[in-house]
Amino acid sequence: EAGVTQFPSHSVIEKGQTVTLRCDPISGHDNLYWYRRVMGKEIKFLLHFVKESKQDESGMPNNRFLAERTGGTYSTLKVQPAELEDSGVYFCASSQGVSHYNEQFFGPGTRLTVL
Amino acid sequence: AQKITQTQPGMFVQEKEAVTLDCTYDTSDPSYGLFWYKQPSSGEMIFLIYQGSYDQQNATEGRYSLNFQKARKSANLVISASQLGDSAMYFCAMPSAGKSTFGDGTTLTVKP
Repeated sequence: EAGVTQFPSHSVIEKGQTVTLRCDPISGHDNLYWYRRVMGKEIKFLLHFVKESKQDESGMPNNRFLAERTGGTYSTLKVQPAELEDSGVYFCASSQGVSHYNEQFFGPGTRLTVL
Repeated sequence: AQKITQTQPGMFVQEKEAVTLDCTYDTSDPSYGLFWYKQPSSGEMIFLIYQGSYDQQNATEGRYSLNFQKARKSANLVISASQLGDSAMYFCAMPSAGKSTFGDGTTLTVKP
């Protein structure tokens, strides 16, 4: 069974440009999460999808970030326009349920560098 | 709201020795779980071990074990017989309604 995949693995863009990150969760996982680790700090929650609906987007930093999960399968996270402080590693995770014992399976992350 | 505290930014251990990575937590959930993840330099997050708050015994997975002290709200990770490949960043995390809260992480360096 394939794990969570993310594309691209690395992205280097200039300030003001747009970048779109993609996440393919494990097949059958209704729950999809985005997290990010900025400047070597702790990993912070961004948002949580249940199927195609945004369950919790309390961690989204501002309106330059837009996440979608059309059809309830893969998800995209667009940053427009990108700022220097957006540099970091963006992780996607998926899980079958939201109980405290449900493991969240993480993707390899996308390392975003904004110059 | 959940809070996870990892007070050790960096730890060193000699190869083949055991090491304990600290994690304390705070939550108002009556039932909860704690996960430990390893993040090697390649960047991926690797699940290591899980402890449920009502589990009767401390979790163990191969060389990984949890020293879970519920009254002290601590869930320390013990790695026995350290290997060079254990050098990585380690995160303690607690999910609540799906959303996971992470500690700041501990960088472990295993010395040959």
